[in-house]
Amino acid sequence: SQQGEEDPQALSIQEGENATMNCSYKTSINNLQWYRQNSGRGLVHLILIRSNEREKHSGRLRVTLDTSKKSSSLLITASRAADTASYFCATEAVSVQGAQKLVFGQGTRLTINP
Amino acid sequence: DAGVTQSPTHLIKTRGQQVTLRCSPKSGHDTVSWYQQALGQGPQFIFQYYEEEERQRGNFPDRFSGHQFPNYSSELNVNALLLGDSALYLCASSLVLWALGEAFFGQGTRLTVV
Repeated sequence: SQQGEEDPQALSIQEGENATMNCSYKTSINNLQWYRQNSGRGLVHLILIRSNEREKHSGRLRVTLDTSKKSSSLLITASRAADTASYFCATEAVSVQGAQKLVFGQGTRLTINP
Repeated sequence: DAGVTQSPTHLIKTRGQQVTLRCSPKSGHDTVSWYQQALGQGPQFIFQYYEEEERQRGNFPDRFSGHQFPNYSSELNVNALLLGDSALYLCASSLVLWALGEAFFGQGTRLTVV
């Protein structure tokens, strides 16, 4: 079963506009990560935010985390056609065995129109 | 520096057959995780290998098994294939079992069961 829920499931905007995607999760986490996936291929890591952080920036990306609401948002500013992809949030919790396990949401499909 | 490599990229199998997928982790990484991604869904954790042992397992039947070799590469085996096993299988590697950080994903193997 999925841990997270992304919202919206699909988003279509014009090039140059900002895109915001939201993620909600259910259990306590150590960190939350955002990944991008182009055309059903491999996942590319975008940004990681730890549970004690509230906001993080990387280039045109801005991620927020609200652990009290168990939610995160990813903002992509000044979107480009190359940003067209599916975006996934993934939460990480360490098991008693110490193994890392990423639990993904269902993703947001972002389309940037020229 | 080669990233995570998976082989083959595409595979077509018949119901009831067995399949083996292969993964070479990013150089220096010692932990390999496998994920299954059905069409339109987020990846789901299958299991993780470290020091040639399965450290954690997701909610997958025993038909799914794996192995890690001394050089850290890994195989995913699926027996008695079902139509529902059709998916993109992703391998991810990370550096240290207890480190909480990004995972590096391969491009995946697209398995089609007919």
